[in-house]
Amino acid sequence: QVLLQESGPGLVKPSQTLSLTCTVSGVSITTGSYYWTWIRQPAGKALEWIGHVYARGGTKYSPSLKSRVTISLDPSKSQFSLNVTSVTAADTALYFCARGLASRTPTFEAWGQGTLVAVSS
Amino acid sequence: SSELTQDPAVSVALGQTVKITCQGDNLRSYSATWYQQKPGQAPVLVAFGQNLRPSGIPDRFSGSSSGTTASLTITGALAEDEADYYCSSRDTSIDFVVLFGGGTKLTVL
Repeated sequence: QVLLQESGPGLVKPSQTLSLTCTVSGVSITTGSYYWTWIRQPAGKALEWIGHVYARGGTKYSPSLKSRVTISLDPSKSQFSLNVTSVTAADTALYFCARGLASRTPTFEAWGQGTLVAVSS
Repeated sequence: SSELTQDPAVSVALGQTVKITCQGDNLRSYSATWYQQKPGQAPVLVAFGQNLRPSGIPDRFSGSSSGTTASLTITGALAEDEADYYCSSRDTSIDFVVLFGGGTKLTVL
């Protein structure tokens, strides 16, 4: 059974970089037809896809965030990470990591519990 | 680029059937995936592909699609089904862009 757990600072200052880590247990993050994904949700609002990294390498990002986002794998720690640069209050949200199945339609079948990040001075 | 549109709120009487819909031009080419999210919890996959469900999801949840509209039907709604429901799919662009709908708040009366 795959388990995902987000971790990182709960408070980030405006203009700084938001960095989160997702620790994966129960499976290898470099095998299988999966991609490892970050999704966020501002309070009271809808889910927003940020981007993902494939188990065998390669990334995809939301066009609206692409210039500020990097997602990478660290197989040695069974983790993948998210960096968002130049944050503003609009980046305040609950951030989820998830595992996606490599299928014709994106399918996120395992999720972390989420971690709340606030952007404030 | 495409977008997915959902009704903000839907209600259903206990034990009755409800259909939650999701509209988008891209749904002619790609199926929708459905997630249930209860307050304070992470989303849970409830339906995907051609009316498929993950193990552990009751068969009262079923997905379907016609043209530009995808639907999640709950047959015999229970109080525990009260939640937000999100549809998801992908853009029709060459690049792989994931879309989420705005979500539907389901109230079980």
